[in-house]
Amino acid sequence: SQQGEEDPQALSIQEGENATMNCSYKTSINNLQWYRQNSGRGLVHLILIRSNEREKHSGRLRVTLDTSKKSSSLLITASRAADTASYFCATAPSGTYKYIFGTGTRLKVLA
Amino acid sequence: DGGITQSPKYLFRKEGQNVTLSCEQNLNHDAMYWYRQDPGQGLRLIYYSQIVNDFQKGDIAEGYSVSREKKESFPLTVTSAQKNPTAFYLCASSIDEGRGEQFFGPGTRLTVL
Repeated sequence: SQQGEEDPQALSIQEGENATMNCSYKTSINNLQWYRQNSGRGLVHLILIRSNEREKHSGRLRVTLDTSKKSSSLLITASRAADTASYFCATAPSGTYKYIFGTGTRLKVLA
Repeated sequence: DGGITQSPKYLFRKEGQNVTLSCEQNLNHDAMYWYRQDPGQGLRLIYYSQIVNDFQKGDIAEGYSVSREKKESFPLTVTSAQKNPTAFYLCASSIDEGRGEQFFGPGTRLTVL
């Protein structure tokens, strides 16, 4: 089973709205990362949050981490059509650096 | 221009053939990784390397082989032993295995005819 699982699997919103996607994982982690993938392309790193951090911001992105619930959320504010992509979380169990990727959330932002 | 490149972008293979996918980086990164992605799925780790002349199996190494003779290069061979090789293959690198951020190449789409 997946170490990281994103929810929802797919999300469709209007431009200007906020998009929230969630990631759950099973074991203690060193850090959690979020990546974006445009169709048929490689992944692009968005943000890394360490296990001792609770919230992190980068531009229109806000990531939270709740280690007690083993979950993270990615919020994209004021979404744009260019944000249309799949978003993945990646986690590595504590003591390892073998990152495990979830199955992703497919975000579609309608103009 | 610093980055990570993969070639070819598309690759077709007949059953029973071995094929090698290229991955090169000029980021001076120590760690390199190979992942497989199937449609609608996440990434699964095939092999990773922390340093030249050293590599470890990931979760789905059967039917694949790698080498790391140079820091910049981490080629992946898909052998005939891989039962279902049609997939999208992604190579990544990071400064070292402990620094989480990975930089990804554009991917190679392999199709078995």
